[in-house]
Amino acid sequence: GESVGLHLPTLSVQEGDNSIINCAYSNSASDYFIWYKQESGKGPQFIIDIRSNMDKRQGQRVTVLLNKTVKHLSLQIAATQPGDSAVYFCAESMFSGGYNKLIFGAGTRLAVHP
Amino acid sequence: EPEVTQTPSHQVTQMGQEVILRCVPISNHLYFYWYRQILGQKVEFLVSFYNNEISEKSEIFDDQFSVERPDGSNFTLKIRSTKLEDSAMYFCASSRLAGGSDTQYFGPGTRLTVL
Repeated sequence: GESVGLHLPTLSVQEGDNSIINCAYSNSASDYFIWYKQESGKGPQFIIDIRSNMDKRQGQRVTVLLNKTVKHLSLQIAATQPGDSAVYFCAESMFSGGYNKLIFGAGTRLAVHP
Repeated sequence: EPEVTQTPSHQVTQMGQEVILRCVPISNHLYFYWYRQILGQKVEFLVSFYNNEISEKSEIFDDQFSVERPDGSNFTLKIRSTKLEDSAMYFCASSRLAGGSDTQYFGPGTRLTVL
């Protein structure tokens, strides 16, 4: 299926633990960042976003941290559940001329073990 | 909750044939996008579309590709003469505002297999 040939970094955690997924972005001019979750055979699902004028944003069980100095983004998931198992992508965007695109990172596979 | 829908879920075609992938964006969204994901790779931008015009396209989006919004609800991606390397998942996305200011929501994808 979707996982054939996929060589992603994998984070394995125990159910109930906190997870931290990291991402390095490429463009220092990027001003909008998003984390997406992708389950096997499905499209990317929005989790949380953050704009460049912030360094932290919290959602339900998720927190995104942005460090512009080192171009680093992280996603923290509290009390990880089996349903959190998926591939997580960070994406960056730069508003330019009114229209823009998302540039996706390579992805990290999160495996949650009971 | 409104969502982006795509049809078909899986399309198998012979090399050299034309395919049309269909998308229905979220109804009050104004910006539309196509991305693709080759198996085992990351999601790649193809094209963005606003006000019945392409606003940006990647180098992948060559003359074999075209997009159209034939009516008020559908957004299509056409590949005129498919190649083996076009085999991928194709995702449609839409946003209410320009993507840098608003979230892009993705459809479930169409898996294109070129034989």
